[in-house]
Amino acid sequence: DAGVIQSPRHEVTEMGQEVTLRCKPISGHNSLFWYRQTMMRGLELLIYFNNNVPIDDSGMPEDRFSAKMPNASFSTLKIQPSEPRDSAVYFCASSLLGNQPQHFGDGTRLSIL
Amino acid sequence: EDKVVQSPLSLVVHEGDTVTLNCSYEVTNFRSLLWYKQEKKAPTFLFMLTSSGIEKKSGRLSSILDKKELFSILNITATQTGDSAIYLCAPLGAKTSYDKVIFGPGTSLSVIP
Repeated sequence: DAGVIQSPRHEVTEMGQEVTLRCKPISGHNSLFWYRQTMMRGLELLIYFNNNVPIDDSGMPEDRFSAKMPNASFSTLKIQPSEPRDSAVYFCASSLLGNQPQHFGDGTRLSIL
Repeated sequence: EDKVVQSPLSLVVHEGDTVTLNCSYEVTNFRSLLWYKQEKKAPTFLFMLTSSGIEKKSGRLSSILDKKELFSILNITATQTGDSAIYLCAPLGAKTSYDKVIFGPGTSLSVIP
């Protein structure tokens, strides 16, 4: 089975640019999570979708961040405009149910210059 | 506010040593606790614990939960260099609309030959 697929693997862009991160969850999983990981703050939940509906977006830092899940096999996380403090590794994870172990993608390493 | 503390934060051992990693938590409406291993990329699932006192084992790794004292330990016996990783403790707490996972800061384990 294919795991969670994220793209791009690396993104380097200048401050102010729009950044779009993509995620394809494992087929049949109804829960999708976006996380951000930094040395200072560890692994933080940004947003949780259940059956394509956002359930908890309390971790989204500010209005510059938005996430969508138009269908069960695709989700995006967008940052506009990007800032240097957004530099981090962004993970997407999916699970069969919300309270089951999550399967993580390999992450997108984002650097904002 | 929910809280997860892991200790030690960092550990260096020699191959063959046995290590014990600790996780204490304060989580509202606790449901279960998960352990993940993170090497260079994504966290991968190790154990899910829901009942106190029942040890879960997988090869040289084992884990146990104490719901009365609010902690869990992860043991690794006869460590190998491949065990070098960050080990993340992640309790789940029931919120209004879903069971939310809170990741701890992790214990960074380095196993030297």
